[in-house]
Amino acid sequence: QQQVKQSPQSLIVQKGGISIINCAYENTAFDYFPWYQQFPGKGPALLIAIRPDVSEKKEGRFTISFNKSAKQFSLHIMDSQPGDSATYFCAATYGSSNTGKLIFGQGTTLQVKP
Amino acid sequence: NAGVTQTPKFQVLKTGQSMTLQCAQDMNHEYMSWYRQDPGMGLRLIHYSVGAGITDQGEVPNGYNVSRSTTEDFPLRLLSAAPSQTSVYFCASTKNIRGANYGYTFGSGTRLTVV
Repeated sequence: QQQVKQSPQSLIVQKGGISIINCAYENTAFDYFPWYQQFPGKGPALLIAIRPDVSEKKEGRFTISFNKSAKQFSLHIMDSQPGDSATYFCAATYGSSNTGKLIFGQGTTLQVKP
Repeated sequence: NAGVTQTPKFQVLKTGQSMTLQCAQDMNHEYMSWYRQDPGMGLRLIHYSVGAGITDQGEVPNGYNVSRSTTEDFPLRLLSAAPSQTSVYFCASTKNIRGANYGYTFGSGTRLTVV
């Protein structure tokens, strides 16, 4: 059972364009939704995260939009740059349970063309 | 401050062999976990630990064993390697503070091939 579903699997965007990656979750007990960025040969690194009590969070060119009623959240990368080419993972966890278990989506490989 | 250190970076095993993937962190993080990454499946949790002496199973624990004798170290043991365990393995750690979440710090991974 895939608790966090991510789409698309791959994405090609022109430099300066907007990259959008979507995730949907099933369990309403999730209360923390991070996005991770992974470059080839490296481990994932935290990019940005949101809690369900806000609908949007922005950090530089990266924005998370959160729709609690639809159980969906998305990552928007504005003014996409070739250096943003990487694999992106959405995730969810039960922060209040204190187990720290992080459930990941399947990943999206982003290619930004110059 | 090295963060999360995984060794080895690459390993080839024969079916049936056993081995231990090492993971060490120097950030005094209470929470540590092991994930495997396979194409199209994201990262799946194998085992995790909320502190020294405490471990529990994740989504895909079969064929793996862990122990946590110190805060710093969290080794993953493959008991009898199978081709299905060919994957990239990541160790991650974070602070464990009640009611809060902190970003995980991941190691650089171990690429394991079982032939």
